[in-house]
Amino acid sequence: GAVVSQHPSRVICKSGTSVKIECRSLDFQATTMFWYRQFPKKSLMLMATSNEGSKATYEQGVEKDKFLINHASLTLSTLTVTSAHPEDSSFYICSALRQGGYEQYFGPGTRLTVT
Amino acid sequence: AQSVSQHNHHVILSEAASLELGCNYSYGGTVNLFWYVQYPGQHLQLLLKYFSGDPLVKGIKGFEAEFIKSKFSFNLRKPSVQWSDTAEYFCAVNRNTGGFKTIFGAGTRLFVKA
Repeated sequence: GAVVSQHPSRVICKSGTSVKIECRSLDFQATTMFWYRQFPKKSLMLMATSNEGSKATYEQGVEKDKFLINHASLTLSTLTVTSAHPEDSSFYICSALRQGGYEQYFGPGTRLTVT
Repeated sequence: AQSVSQHNHHVILSEAASLELGCNYSYGGTVNLFWYVQYPGQHLQLLLKYFSGDPLVKGIKGFEAEFIKSKFSFNLRKPSVQWSDTAEYFCAVNRNTGGFKTIFGAGTRLFVKA
């Protein structure tokens, strides 16, 4: 199967600090990874699409300077929430697209709490 | 803009009842269709998918979905639900033209009474 991991699973940080979330495809190469945000009792909102070796494509309304995405290798993408605010508290989910495929594999998510 | 609509936000059923969750999408081109399930405290899992071929798709755990192109629909069904089916169900659509992007519906929260 295709496994995607995220680290950390939970993180609490103070306002103004930055936090990095990692997303790894463990047993396949992912040319494309996606970052979603899930609000309580809401659907997944696509934040950005990252392609290995190139800049991420952000969805409308998502601040690229606040949510820094790096996709340095075919198995790793990172999301850094900079200068975190309490309203950034959310569940962040990544997914990975296998090379040549159409099916996304989702990570278990990271719950971020900003105090 | 492309969108995915799930008609029911909350569904409560008794065990052994039949289930049908509606999903409609707005995009007119060639699409791939998915249903995902998220059990409490767990991550999204793929229930079933449609890319092409037989419009009646069978997935895991006894679920199936029917793609009706003329209605832009991809409804999820299960003849007899179990308590363990309590979860949130998301319909999703993607296309690989003009950039790959998956759009999710708002989700349907299913509660099955034992």
